[in-house]
Amino acid sequence: GAVVSQHPSRVICKSGTSVKIECRSLDFQATTMFWYRQFPKQSLMLMATSNEGSKATYEQGVEKDKFLINHASLTLSTLTVTSAHPEDSSFYICSARDRGSLQPQHFGDGTRLSIL
Amino acid sequence: LAKTTQPISMDSYEGQEVNITCSHNNIATNDYITWYQQFPSQGPRFIIQGYKTKVTNEVASLFIPADRKSSTLSLPRVSLSDTAVYYCLVGALSGNTGKLIFGQGTTLQVKP
Repeated sequence: GAVVSQHPSRVICKSGTSVKIECRSLDFQATTMFWYRQFPKQSLMLMATSNEGSKATYEQGVEKDKFLINHASLTLSTLTVTSAHPEDSSFYICSARDRGSLQPQHFGDGTRLSIL
Repeated sequence: LAKTTQPISMDSYEGQEVNITCSHNNIATNDYITWYQQFPSQGPRFIIQGYKTKVTNEVASLFIPADRKSSTLSLPRVSLSDTAVYYCLVGALSGNTGKLIFGQGTTLQVKP
């Protein structure tokens, strides 16, 4: 079945560091990918829609200069948390759907980001 | 986007059938209904998807009434490993959009 790979699975870094998270669709092409953030005991919150070859669409309240998204190919989207601070610590999850088909979205296994 | 409402939590025992109902009164004509399962520190995993009537796969069944304003996920003979959060989502699948907005989900606790 469709697989979405996310890397790294865990990141621990100092405050002020920028962190890049990769999301890859392994066996299908995805024109659109999605980035979510999930805090402990809470549901997933959609941050942005990543569009291949164009700018990402951010949800209300999400800072686009803080969370840089690049979707350079049909199988790769990256999320960069710039100048991360402890409040950015969270579980980041991406999802993708096979373009042009009535297939459900598939999710990566998430990236646990811890900012010290 | 259609909003969904589910029970916050449910308890069950091993071997029992579990039915989780989701309300989506504002579902649009081209919206599909999709259920996901999430374990702690993992991404959501696809369970089942449907548009109307009944859908069955190797792990679950999905019942959708004619008005499509609700749906019920049925898990036959649950085991301890089915303890997880279950999310019901509605959204379009056609085209290149189809963003999904997660509700609070249902935390299912399966007891021995």
